[in-house]
Amino acid sequence: DAGVIQSPRHEVTEMGQEVTLRCKPISGHDYLFWYRQTMMRGLELLIYFNNNVPIDDSGMPEDRFSAKMPNASFSTLKIQPSEPRDSAVYFCASSSLTGDGYTFGSGTRLTVV
Amino acid sequence: SQQGEEDPQALSIQEGENATMNCSYKTSINNLQWYRQNSGRGLVHLILIRSNEREKHSGRLRVTLDTSKKSSSLLITASRAADTASYFCALGPGYSTLTFGKGTMLLVSP
Repeated sequence: DAGVIQSPRHEVTEMGQEVTLRCKPISGHDYLFWYRQTMMRGLELLIYFNNNVPIDDSGMPEDRFSAKMPNASFSTLKIQPSEPRDSAVYFCASSSLTGDGYTFGSGTRLTVV
Repeated sequence: SQQGEEDPQALSIQEGENATMNCSYKTSINNLQWYRQNSGRGLVHLILIRSNEREKHSGRLRVTLDTSKKSSSLLITASRAADTASYFCALGPGYSTLTFGKGTMLLVSP
C-alpha cells in the first residue's frame, strides 16, 4: 500500500478563496481523521469518520470548514472562504480498529495570504 | 484536558547517548501511543502501550507506562543522527480518537 495520500502538498491561496484538501486513506482502514497542526496550538483533531460516516466534528473551528467522505477511499476537507488564520499544515490519518496506531499522510501546507 | 504533556520540550544529545522523554497526563486512558515527526513530514507511529501493560520494547525503543502516576516514558538507546525529530505522546481514551501533546524536539548531533 502507498500509505495515506494527501493532495496537494502545498497550497497558497488568497483570502476569501475556496480551498479543497484531499485524502486517500489506506485500503481497509475504517477510520479517517483530519488534523491541523500549528506552532501555537499543536495538533488539533478537526473531524473523524468511521465507515464513511462523520462521528465527531466538534473540532471543526467554524462553519467555513466542512468535510466529506463520499466513499471508503476518498475524503475532502473544504474551507470556504479561507482566511489567513487558517494557514497551517493539515494532516489526514487513517486507522483500523484492530491495528496499531494511526497512519498519517504527508500533510498539506496551506498558506492563505 | 485530555492532552498529554511531554517533557522536556527540547533535548539535545550526542550520537550514541540515550534519550529519554516523558509524558504526563490527567485522565483515564485505554492506551498511550508514541509518534515521531521528522521536519516537514507526517507523524509516524512508533509504539502503542495499553493501560494494562507496564513496558514494551521495539528495537532501540523502550516505553514504560505507570498508570498510578499517569505517566509514560520513551527511551531511545544508542541514538543516531537520524533519530533527530519531534516525538509526541498521544492518549487514547478509547481507541477511536487520539489527542496529541505538543511534543519533544530531539536533536542528535554526530
